Amino acid sequence: GEDVEQSLFLSVREGDSSVINCTYTDSSSTYLYWYKQEPGAGLQLLTYIFSNMDMKQDQRLTVLLNKKDKHLSLRIADTQTGDSAIYFCADNNAGNMLTFGGGTRLMVKP
Amino acid sequence: DTEVTQTPKHLVMGMTNKKSLKCEQHMGHRAMYWYKQKAKKPPELMFVYSYEKLSINESVPSRFSPECPNSSLLNLHLHALQPEDSALYLCASSQDEQQGRETQYFGPGTRLLVL
Repeated sequence: GEDVEQSLFLSVREGDSSVINCTYTDSSSTYLYWYKQEPGAGLQLLTYIFSNMDMKQDQRLTVLLNKKDKHLSLRIADTQTGDSAIYFCADNNAGNMLTFGGGTRLMVKP
Repeated sequence: DTEVTQTPKHLVMGMTNKKSLKCEQHMGHRAMYWYKQKAKKPPELMFVYSYEKLSINESVPSRFSPECPNSSLLNLHLHALQPEDSALYLCASSQDEQQGRETQYFGPGTRLLVL
């Protein structure tokens, strides 16, 4: 079945850039998503990219997609302490079924 | 407006209780979802409703019973739960299940503790 993988943990200093990586196996995915989850909260949709794109920028967020290598990344510029959270990548396959990665915990140090 | 609301925020129940979780959206979305999330894990899909009909049941035990009374509301009825059912229950919605309209928006969740 489909597999989506992320590294578990990332620590950066405030003001630095953060890059969170994700790999997936299903080449038929149409959209790939990044969700943010703060402690005790639901999932907030941050951004998504259509599979025929290789880059999408939205303010401090840049998503890069390498479809050949099935690699997705989320870059957060000028990382702030409020960016500390768990970030999940997800892809949709078989229509509306989301497959989530295990989540990357981002810790931002002042 | 991309808001999905869920009530209650927190729920504590005994193994013999019957309770319900509620989810509401007013975005005109026609697909709604229930997920279960254990600590430090990604959400796991439980049920999908499409145009008020149950379209996916991911082999969820019958002690969880979903209901979609209308296109804006989704309930999850709970009965005779086990302590291992304690988790964050997340509701989501999307325009529908068709390609290009399947982006899911999540509610804040109900944190359930079963004693």
